[in-house]
Amino acid sequence: ETGVTQSPTHLIKTRGQQVTLRCSSQSGHNTVSWYQQALGQGPQFIFQYYREEENGRGNFPPRFSGLQFPNYSSELNVNALELDDSALYLCASSLDPGGGYTFGSGTRLTVV
Amino acid sequence: EDQVTQSPEALRLQEGESSSLNCSYTVSGLRGLFWYRQDPGKGPEFLFTLYSAGEEKEKERLKATLTKKESFLHITAPKPEDSATYLCVVQAGGGSEKLVFGKGTKLTVNP
Repeated sequence: ETGVTQSPTHLIKTRGQQVTLRCSSQSGHNTVSWYQQALGQGPQFIFQYYREEENGRGNFPPRFSGLQFPNYSSELNVNALELDDSALYLCASSLDPGGGYTFGSGTRLTVV
Repeated sequence: EDQVTQSPEALRLQEGESSSLNCSYTVSGLRGLFWYRQDPGKGPEFLFTLYSAGEEKEKERLKATLTKKESFLHITAPKPEDSATYLCVVQAGGGSEKLVFGKGTKLTVNP
């Protein structure tokens, strides 16, 4: 059991650029969700994937998109980066959509 | 709209001074309520899952309880290493399955 791993740990991008964040789910977990956590705030739900299909989405614009692969790893893509996108991005995986979630350590994105 | 409110926002305790953190929630069809601990710059660490009113879970100095509208995280005789932000999270049902987080309670335990 390796837990949830995210890469990279830190990233600096320029406004208008695109970014891809990656997440390796805990072994056997078929559900993955992504969260944005601004400084001093609780995480905000972006979207969730279950067996490669999106099955829930929060209040984020379409420039936030994702993928889940057959091995249940996942990507979060953000296009046309804005300064307010600077945050800690967390990935969490679960055995099923109703179960407890294991979180990764996050990717700290800074947009300048 | 699903909502989670935690209080207080911040809490300072002396080592050994017991207290409770509150989480009140409104959600359509509760599937589960979770408590997580988060250290600065790190991902949340799972503590407890509660599914139904009246349920209680314990782990070392922590005890979580659940009613139909609230959950409490009781901390008995805390130690400095218990200092962290404690997050309350509810999972809505009805097909959305999304997790809704509170803003957290930042706990500081002084030696």
